[in-house]
Amino acid sequence: AQKITQTQPGMFVQEKEAVTLDCTYDTSDPSYGLFWYKQPSSGEMIFLIYQGSYDQQNATEGRYSLNFQKARKSANLVISASQLGDSAMYFCAMRERAGRRALTFGSGTRLQVQP
Amino acid sequence: EAQVTQNPRYLITVTGKKLTVTCSQNMNHEYMSWYRQDPGLGLRQIYYSMNVEVTDKGDVPEGYKVSRKEKRNFPLILESPSPNQTSLYFCASSSRDYSNQPQHFGDGTRLSIL
Repeated sequence: AQKITQTQPGMFVQEKEAVTLDCTYDTSDPSYGLFWYKQPSSGEMIFLIYQGSYDQQNATEGRYSLNFQKARKSANLVISASQLGDSAMYFCAMRERAGRRALTFGSGTRLQVQP
Repeated sequence: EAQVTQNPRYLITVTGKKLTVTCSQNMNHEYMSWYRQDPGLGLRQIYYSMNVEVTDKGDVPEGYKVSRKEKRNFPLILESPSPNQTSLYFCASSSRDYSNQPQHFGDGTRLSIL
């Protein structure tokens, strides 16, 4: 079974608007972390934001916020005031405390910001 | 500056010619890992290391070797590369508190095996 599901292969958003990228996950480990990474066309993986399974509040980092709904097992990324430089692939990933502690990635969402 | 450094960034080589991709981190991280990224398959873990001299297989270890003789270095070795190992490779590291620490990634190595 897929551990991380990103159902939006591609998204378009107008510059200065907000956009939500969806992510659902599946785990039986009570302790886990959820991460979002950005991969621009140049290829590097850039860490954006983290949410822990025990965190009571949604994480925020500048224009990025994570809408964490634990009961629904969703961890959606919200980008406010989109900029042209936000055009990239976005990956949701999970890291469980048990086992080999690898990052398990979703298939990604390609976001294109239009002027 | 805290970083993970991979070399080379790009390599085109031929089947069977042994190659090593180096990875070095300057953050004193215990955990290091190699991933490969392929279209339609996302990122998959090849090998990981929880500390010096401690390494183990990830999801797709066949055809690869690693070593962790020093904390900062975690080279990926392809003893006899084949075309199906053509991919984008990432090295990553994180601190001991595994679940809530982001893995910091190198800039990637694009390997083409002809």
